[in-house]
Amino acid sequence: GEDVEQSLFLSVREGDSSVINCTYTDSSSTYLYWYKQEPGAGLQLLTYIFSNMDMKQDQRLTVLLNKKDKHLSLRIADTQTGDSAIYFCAESIEDSSYKLIFGSGTRLLVRP
Amino acid sequence: DTGVSQDPRHKITKRGQNVTFRCDPISEHNRLYWYRQTLGQGPEFLTYFQNEAQLEKSRLLSDRFSAERPKGSFSTLEIQRTEQGDSAMYLCASSINPEHEQYFGPGTRLTVT
Repeated sequence: GEDVEQSLFLSVREGDSSVINCTYTDSSSTYLYWYKQEPGAGLQLLTYIFSNMDMKQDQRLTVLLNKKDKHLSLRIADTQTGDSAIYFCAESIEDSSYKLIFGSGTRLLVRP
Repeated sequence: DTGVSQDPRHKITKRGQNVTFRCDPISEHNRLYWYRQTLGQGPEFLTYFQNEAQLEKSRLLSDRFSAERPKGSFSTLEIQRTEQGDSAMYLCASSINPEHEQYFGPGTRLTVT
């Protein structure tokens, strides 16, 4: 079945790197995503990776995918206080709908 | 280019009342999705439209829920005879076929008292 799991909370100091981890169970996932949600707001698409890739870098964000272990991570370099939010990992399958299956989110707190 | 918009942003209703939410997708996005997010959880898929056709519905979408997209542009989600368990954030997202990226609106927060 479909299941996406994340750790609940991460606290880092401003300027450090943050690494948020995610595991998923569906080996037929086509794309894996990272979304950011600030309090009371909708979800902002940060980045995504196609399932046949191992790594994707986009400015301060680095996504690593280990398809064998079904493990996805998001590294945020030089974390800023504005990065404090909830980060959701999600997967989609190319079954014509691309509906998203989300984890329960990781709350990132950046301490000054 | 305006993003996905949702109306209202907040709705408080009494148990047993009907409510309707509206979603306006990004212009020319032909795919539209509805999700529900309860406190402390990630969003859960409810239903999906391609143009005006409703192509998939989750088991979460009980018979009290109905969604429409009559002209393939905006969509409405109606909940009849609301229950306290319906209290949640209702999120709408859109994308353009064949692209897969979904862009979310700000959500409608429903509180059933």
